[in-house]
Amino acid sequence: QQQVKQSPQSLIVQKGGISIINCAYENTAFDYFPWYQQFPGKGPALLIAIRPDVSEKKEGRFTISFNKSAKQFSLHIMDSQPGDSATYFCAAEDSSYKLIFGSGTRLLVRP
Amino acid sequence: SAVISQKPSRDICQRGTSLTIQCQVDSQVTMMFWYRQQPGQSLTLIATANQGSEATYESGFVIDKFPISRPNLTFSTLTVSNMSPEDSSIYLCSVEGEQAQETQYFGPGTRLLVL
Repeated sequence: QQQVKQSPQSLIVQKGGISIINCAYENTAFDYFPWYQQFPGKGPALLIAIRPDVSEKKEGRFTISFNKSAKQFSLHIMDSQPGDSATYFCAAEDSSYKLIFGSGTRLLVRP
Repeated sequence: SAVISQKPSRDICQRGTSLTIQCQVDSQVTMMFWYRQQPGQSLTLIATANQGSEATYESGFVIDKFPISRPNLTFSTLTVSNMSPEDSSIYLCSVEGEQAQETQYFGPGTRLLVL
């Protein structure tokens, strides 16, 4: 019940395309859903986050879509760029501020 | 967001030895967290460290193996004790965000290789 399932494991997209990463959770106590971007040799960096009372949040080229009834959320990267090539982690946080991470998606954007 | 630094950035250690990792934050924070990221894997929470209280460990992690100190609101240490090659991982500290109900920010990590 504490798991966050993330797919796909890896993703290859052409420059200018849309990258889509999906996550699903079981625990309805989760109340905050951040996405992190991690480059090799670096710590994860907060990219964008959403709360379950909102169905969509957009920041620049990054959009989170949230479906509370289905307990699913996804990250869309519009106009994907080679510089977006990184590992992306979804996560879910409960009221104790503990983060449960998805398994990660390795994104490669080809020029 | 807070600026977080970790020392050392990387180390190579012999099995059976211990390594203490330091985490320094440029502002006072109540909650600090320690995570482990095994090679090519996701992040797993080791423990939550609040100043003035004992660290709270997650299932599968024990204080004898991963003792944690939290002497003040800007600093914490994690020790990896009696290391084995299975402890080779990236160890990351994180802190709560400054705004209410804001998520965590991570340090750069400590890359540990145990031979």
